Amino acid sequence: KAGVTQTPRYLIKTRGQQVTLSCSPISGHRSVSWYQQTPGQGLQFLFEYFSETQRNKGNFPGRFSGRQFSNSRSEMNVSTLELGDSALYLCASSLASKQGADYGYTFGSGTRLTVV
Amino acid sequence: GENVEQHPSTLSVQEGDSAVIKCTYSDSASNYFPWYKQELGKRPQLIIDIRSNVGEKKDQRIAVTLNKTAKHFSLHITETQPEDSAVYFCAASKGEPGGSYIPTFGRGTSLIVHP
Repeated sequence: KAGVTQTPRYLIKTRGQQVTLSCSPISGHRSVSWYQQTPGQGLQFLFEYFSETQRNKGNFPGRFSGRQFSNSRSEMNVSTLELGDSALYLCASSLASKQGADYGYTFGSGTRLTVV
Repeated sequence: GENVEQHPSTLSVQEGDSAVIKCTYSDSASNYFPWYKQELGKRPQLIIDIRSNVGEKKDQRIAVTLNKTAKHFSLHITETQPEDSAVYFCAASKGEPGGSYIPTFGRGTSLIVHP
């Protein structure tokens, strides 16, 4: 079965630009979460989408936004890029639902964003 | 909110030795504790998990123990091999009304296994 697919794998952007990252979860997984990973801060939670609704949000500025489509695919957008946004952005899908138990994450390979 | 502390941040062992990574959590309502392994340049992968109704779980050379009273859980790797070298993350999460299962992650432990 296909895993979590993230595109693109690498991106180089200039300060002030905006970027959109894409994530296709495992078929049947309706929960999609996004994380920012940096060497100094570990895994920082951005937001989670479930059935096209943002269900949880981390402590990131409004420049970071996302959405989920009816097929569970998700995108995240970062506007007005800053040098500090350089990081690995990981998408994770999960079977977690309102009624079900937690089954952990399956992560994508990530998008390496470099802001210059 | 939940706070997860993970120790040590770096662990260096000789091949064949055992390795133990410990995590503590603050929220007694947390009921699911997964461990992820992230090899250099790769995605984190779930390697083992434990729920609050179980005290210990094993899968070949890896095991996880949970002490709910003390609010800590540990990852044990026996007979370590060079391919065990990676960063290991612990996490804690809980089911909440509305179905939120967002885990809180530890800061990670870099395990280095010397041949």
